[in-house]
Amino acid sequence: DTGVSQDPRHKITKRGQNVTFRCDPISEHNRLYWYRQTLGQGPEFLTYFQNEAQLEKSRLLSDRFSAERPKGSFSTLEIQRTEQGDSAMYLCASSLSLAYTQYFGPGTRLTVL
Amino acid sequence: DQQVKQNSPSLSVQEGRISILNCDYTNSMFDYFLWYKKYPAEGPTFLISISSIKDKNEDGRFTVFLNKSAKHLSLHIVPSQPGDSAVYFCAGVEENTGFQKLVFGTGTRLLVSP
Repeated sequence: DTGVSQDPRHKITKRGQNVTFRCDPISEHNRLYWYRQTLGQGPEFLTYFQNEAQLEKSRLLSDRFSAERPKGSFSTLEIQRTEQGDSAMYLCASSLSLAYTQYFGPGTRLTVL
Repeated sequence: DQQVKQNSPSLSVQEGRISILNCDYTNSMFDYFLWYKKYPAEGPTFLISISSIKDKNEDGRFTVFLNKSAKHLSLHIVPSQPGDSAVYFCAGVEENTGFQKLVFGTGTRLLVSP
């Protein structure tokens, strides 16, 4: 069990640029979640995958955000036309079906200048 | 609408003493609760959980208590160690059509001094 991994760990970009983050969940976990955490807040749910199907999206996920999990393994989160308000830590978590406990990766810290 | 509240942003405790971290919630649909610990520049690490049908769960130095009527839970760490210094998040789980969504509080920063 190598845990959840995320890449990159840090990303600095200019406003208006597109960015893409990758998450590799624990191998046997079929559920994958994305959360966003801003300073002084707890993580907030963004979206959820069961295998390759994206089954739930938060209203926080604007049209500029898109997430995929093409083969039910790794997932990508893309932000188009980044804004300064997108600056946050983006966290990925995975779990087994029907399990309450989600295991988090180290996160990708995004800074939009 | 803050469904999970951790009203103490920080807590300082001496090594060897008890740390008590508190959490209140408003959503009566939560059927499970989890505590996570977070070190700087790392993701949250699962610590301990409790089902809404229980009032206590214990794992080594960590015990979580749930008072459903008061919509309150607490995490006790005994004895506290300097390595416990971290931010602690309480989260409620709302099962929504078979999908478990975690709703987090804002966290409490625990500092355990030697």
